[in-house]
Amino acid sequence: DGGITQSPKYLFRKEGQNVTLSCEQNLNHDAMYWYRQDPGQGLRLIYYSQIVNDFQKGDIAEGYSVSREKKESFPLTVTSAQKNPTAFYLCASRGGTGALTSTDTQYFGPGTRLTVL
Amino acid sequence: AQKITQTQPGMFVQEKEAVTLDCTYDTSDPSYGLFWYKQPSSGEMIFLIYQGSYDQQNATEGRYSLNFQKARKSANLVISASQLGDSAMYFCAMGSIQGAQKLVFGQGTRLTINP
Repeated sequence: DGGITQSPKYLFRKEGQNVTLSCEQNLNHDAMYWYRQDPGQGLRLIYYSQIVNDFQKGDIAEGYSVSREKKESFPLTVTSAQKNPTAFYLCASRGGTGALTSTDTQYFGPGTRLTVL
Repeated sequence: AQKITQTQPGMFVQEKEAVTLDCTYDTSDPSYGLFWYKQPSSGEMIFLIYQGSYDQQNATEGRYSLNFQKARKSANLVISASQLGDSAMYFCAMGSIQGAQKLVFGQGTRLTINP
């Protein structure tokens, strides 16, 4: 089945450690996104990529890093510089990079819940 | 900068009734898109409906419709004939029509459908 997978579903990290969250899609989508969601809040954009080997910072990129070496993969690393990393992380992808349409919107993976111990 | 405001933290509705979830927005972009997503307790975000700022008619998708009032900068979601499975968090979001589609989300409304 086509879709977006994120792993792991739950992740526990000790303070001071870097951790990488996986996001893979087999939809042949060009654009991919990472969002963070805190309890009772909406989503905030961390990083996005519209093409392989290129990515841009979103609204809350500090303490995070990404890579886009393959079209289907967009891993997110939460570094020790991120002061409050405990949150729910959602990856999304979108087929095109042009104008918005009703059929070309963002589709989300199931998310990874990160807890810092 | 774009901003989405959802003023209803929680809504309680009887099964089979219609419900309206409020969303107001602010943007300086001349063209933009408005979205509604549903988030069940499992956490995934499910796309429901999209409205482009230049669309002449309000968007509809099955039991979902979007009441778009451009002059008032509102984009309310209407769910007709609510079902128990509609209980979830609902998020309104917007993005510029051109470019990277960086979405800005509201804080969400928790909808509970009572039997």
